[in-house]
Amino acid sequence: NAGVTQTPKFRILKIGQSMTLQCTQDMNHNYMYWYRQDPGMGLKLIYYSVGAGITDKGEVPNGYNVSRSTTEDFPLRLELAAPSQTSVYFCASSFGVYSNQPQHFGDGTRLSIL
Amino acid sequence: KQEVTQIPAALSVPEGENLVLNCSFTDSAIYNLQWFRQDPGKGLTSLLLIQSSQREQTSGRLNASLDKSSGRSTLYIAASQPGDSATYLCAVRHTSNTGKLIFGQGTTLQVKP
Repeated sequence: NAGVTQTPKFRILKIGQSMTLQCTQDMNHNYMYWYRQDPGMGLKLIYYSVGAGITDKGEVPNGYNVSRSTTEDFPLRLELAAPSQTSVYFCASSFGVYSNQPQHFGDGTRLSIL
Repeated sequence: KQEVTQIPAALSVPEGENLVLNCSFTDSAIYNLQWFRQDPGKGLTSLLLIQSSQREQTSGRLNASLDKSSGRSTLYIAASQPGDSATYLCAVRHTSNTGKLIFGQGTTLQVKP
């Protein structure tokens, strides 16, 4: 039972490079989320999706893009990496809005922009 | 705008002590509140989820309470152990249909043997 799987676990990028953070879940959850966590801080929502083909911005969407072509996958794209995007990125998933089940989190991707 | 605050930011206690972690939120229109545990370099593990209609939830040595009217939740850990050392995060889910969570900054707990 894999749950939420994120790849890669670690990555170092140069300023201006692009990359995609991968996230997949095998729990058939409708809802998926991307958060970032800066040192000593809580998590902040970047983007979320309520189902395949539907995405929306969270609190801190600038510099990121997402897509949701399948229920299982929710990749996060950084187009022009900037030092301010150095952070730990977490993907999460959950059942629909009327469920009181908790969100399930991946182990995170630790990203450094140099 | 919903804001979630956790006090204290860090806590160090001797093994065996009972302790309380605090979480406060500014908007009482919440769907539920969750407490998570985060170990260094790891993801988040859900500990307890309290629905807006509930007052508390218990799991083993953990007990979480919710007072919506005052915008407060507490996580009570009984008979603390060194293995409880971790960062504890609380998060509230708004009543909107997005399922988004708003997180506090976390309390880092160290339980000394």
